Formats: sequence, structure tokens, C-alpha cells
Amino acid sequence: NAGVTQTPKFRVLKTGQSMTLLCAQDMNHEYMYWYRQDPGMGLRLIHYSVGEGTTAKGEVPDGYNVSRLKKQNFLLGLESAAPSQTSVYFCASRREGTVPSVGSGELFFGEGSRLTVL
Amino acid sequence: AQKITQTQPGMFVQEKEAVTLDCTYDTSDPSYGLFWYKQPSSGEMIFLIYQGSYDQQNATEGRYSLNFQKARKSANLVISASQLGDSAMYFCAMRPFDSWGKLQFGAGTQVVVTP
Repeated sequence: NAGVTQTPKFRVLKTGQSMTLLCAQDMNHEYMYWYRQDPGMGLRLIHYSVGEGTTAKGEVPDGYNVSRLKKQNFLLGLESAAPSQTSVYFCASRREGTVPSVGSGELFFGEGSRLTVL
Repeated sequence: AQKITQTQPGMFVQEKEAVTLDCTYDTSDPSYGLFWYKQPSSGEMIFLIYQGSYDQQNATEGRYSLNFQKARKSANLVISASQLGDSAMYFCAMRPFDSWGKLQFGAGTQVVVTP
């Protein structure tokens, strides 16, 4: 089972360039998330989606855009990359619960995408 | 605003010994979930254990157990009989009530298991 797949795994950009990270999940999960991981700060939520066609802002959304045109895919875009966006990006998904806040419903993570902005 | 605190940036533990990783959280929600994830040097995030705020018993999963003290707002992870493969970064996370499954993470604790 593929689970959650992120592409690309590595990317180097110059300041001002744009790029898109693709996240694909094959578990038919409703909820999907984009996090960034920086040293000493854990994972911080960028954007998330609770279903096809929906997106919402997380803790650190500035400089990023997202789209969820298909249930299985969640795209993270950087329109004009900045050095501050150098990070490891993780996509995650979660099955829908009867009540979203109840039950384990752990997040399933992709392997991460390491982005460097020069 | 909720907050997750892991006060131990790094720990060394000898093989076969038990280790406790501290996690405290701050929330005013009546219902929430607590999670621990492991991140080995290869980078993937591996779910270890879950504790619901209304669960009567502490969660256990194999060699992992969660010491949940609701009144103190702590959710410490205990790893028994440490193995070399337990060397990794460990993250505590909380899912607030009515949050669409979003997790808030602590800064992590780096564990190194020595022979």
C-alpha cells in the first residue's frame, strides 16, 4: 500500500521562483493537511482540507496556497519562494470520523519533501 | 491558545533501560486527544500511541505506554526495554476539540539509545 505519497522529495529553488508540492493518498481519507518542520519547532500546520473542494488556513499559511480539486490529492504551492520557506514539508491525511474530534484518528504522514530556497 | 511543551531536547538511555519522555499541554477544552509520534533519522513520522482525554485507563501499545495525568495536564511517554532502533526524535501532539483532526505538535525530544 502506497499510503501518502509526496512529490518531489527534494527541491532547490532560487528566491522568487514558484513550485508546487503534490500529495496523493490512496486511503480514501477525507481530511488532508500540510505541515512544515523546522529545527526546534516541531511541526506547524500550514493549510488543511476537510474534503474535496475545501481548504482552510492553519497556523502558518502566509506565502502558501493550496488546492484540493480531487479527494485523493492535496497540492501546496509557493508562488514566490523565500529563504524563510526552506523547510521539510509533510503531508498527512486522516479518515473521517463520525465526530472529527473523537477517537484515535491518527494522521498518516508522507515521507516529507525537503525544500531549500537560495 | 493551546500549547504543547516538551522540556527535554535530548536524552541518552542505555539499551534495555526504560525511558520517560515528558509532555505537558495547555488547553481549556473538555475533550481532546493526545498522540505520540516517532521520527527516525530517515525522516518519516510514525504514530505510536493515542490517549483520549476521557479514557479511564492509560494507553499502552507494546513497549510504549502513556502516563496520562489529566489534572496536571501531562502525557508522558514511557518506552520500556529500550532498543537501539528506538533512537529517534519523539513528538508529543494534541488534537483540540472540534479541530477537524488537526494536531498541534511539541518541539520534540531526541532520544539516543546506547549499547
